[in-house]
Parts: sequence; structure tokens; C-alpha cells
Amino acid sequence: KQEVTQIPAALSVPEGENLVLNCSFTDSAIYNLQWFRQDPGKGLTSLLLIQSSQREQTSGRLNASLDKSSGRSTLYIAASQPGDSATYLCAGQGISGTYKYIFGTGTRLKVLA
Amino acid sequence: GAGVSQSPSNKVTEKGKDVELRCDPISGHTALYWYRQSLGQGLEFLIYFQGNSAPDKSGLPSDRFSAERTGGSVSTLTIQRTQQEDSAVYLCASSAQAGNTEAFFGQGTRLTVV
Repeated sequence: KQEVTQIPAALSVPEGENLVLNCSFTDSAIYNLQWFRQDPGKGLTSLLLIQSSQREQTSGRLNASLDKSSGRSTLYIAASQPGDSATYLCAGQGISGTYKYIFGTGTRLKVLA
Repeated sequence: GAGVSQSPSNKVTEKGKDVELRCDPISGHTALYWYRQSLGQGLEFLIYFQGNSAPDKSGLPSDRFSAERTGGSVSTLTIQRTQQEDSAVYLCASSAQAGNTEAFFGQGTRLTVV
């Protein structure tokens, strides 16, 4: 059974800090990896998609990397802001030869003003 | 539409009743996914459609759950004889194609079975 784990489960940081969220998966046979954020009571907002041929993606203050050989992805958030407070989820697609997304357990981030 | 649309946004139903949840994907997206998120839990895969067919329905919890997609567009998730453990947020997502493209989620339907 494929599993996606996110560390840490929760994180509280002061505004302005740079931070790294980690995602690990047990099967490197994935097509792509996508990072999402979820605000309380809301759906998921797509942040970054790293396609199968890519190792990194950047959008504004966000940078995500993917290392299939080690089964790891990281999401780097630069100069964190209170508006970044949310739950961050990673999802691997194509794990175990299917197109379904397998989601991690999430990291709850709180950025203090 | 501009994004994935789900209706209703909230549904309260009595135990034993049937419910239908609707998902309107982004126009032109061929892949459609249903997930369930119970309170404080992660996202649980239910079913995935490519066009009108469902290559993977392995996540449907029981035969009370079914889903269909018609015209390669709108999808309906039906739960028969609802139970209290069915209470959750049901999320739908679509992507331009299966595999290697970005998935976009709707705001979800919050189902409460009383």
C-alpha cells in the first residue's frame, strides 16, 4: 500500500521566516506531484505541479522540488506572511500505476504576525 | 465555468435517505475525481473518471455509493440509505487529462447525516 507522509504535522513560525515543508512517498513510480493549500472549511487550491520530467517548480515565494529516487518532495516558502497560514497538502499521482492522487496527511502552518 | 463547481454546498439529510451530489468540472477537462474528507482526516479517494468511464472505482466504500458521468462533463455521486458515518465533505476535482496535468478542486459539498 502506497503512503504519503508529511512532516511536520504542524508548524508555527513568526512572520518573515523562510520555511520548508516535507513530503515523502513510498513508491517512486509517480507521474507527477502536486502541492495544494487548504483553508479552513474550504476546498483545495493548487499551488504547484511538478510534472514527471521536472525536478522543480517556482511560483512567487513558493518553490517545490521533487526527487523521485529518494521519494521526497519539499515545498519552500520564502518570507512567510500571516496569509500563508493554512494546511498544506502534497499529492502524488500515478502511484501504484493508477491515475488517482494519493494525498499526504498535511502540514498545518500558522504564521504569526 | 471558471472553476470546478459543486452543488449543493451543504446538505443535511436523515439517516436512510438517498442523496445526490453534483460536480461540474472545468470545461474541456476529461479527467474527474471524487474524494471524501472526514472531520480531521485526510483526503480519501473514491472514484476517478476518464471521459464517461470509470477506470478506478476502488475507493467507493460500499455498494451504497455509486457515481456516473454523462457527456464527459457533469458527474453525480449518489449515496443510498445514508448512514451517519457518511457525514463528510465530498470534494470533486478535474484535470485536462489523466496523468501529468494540474488538478483543480471544487469547494466541496458538506454532507451531514442526522
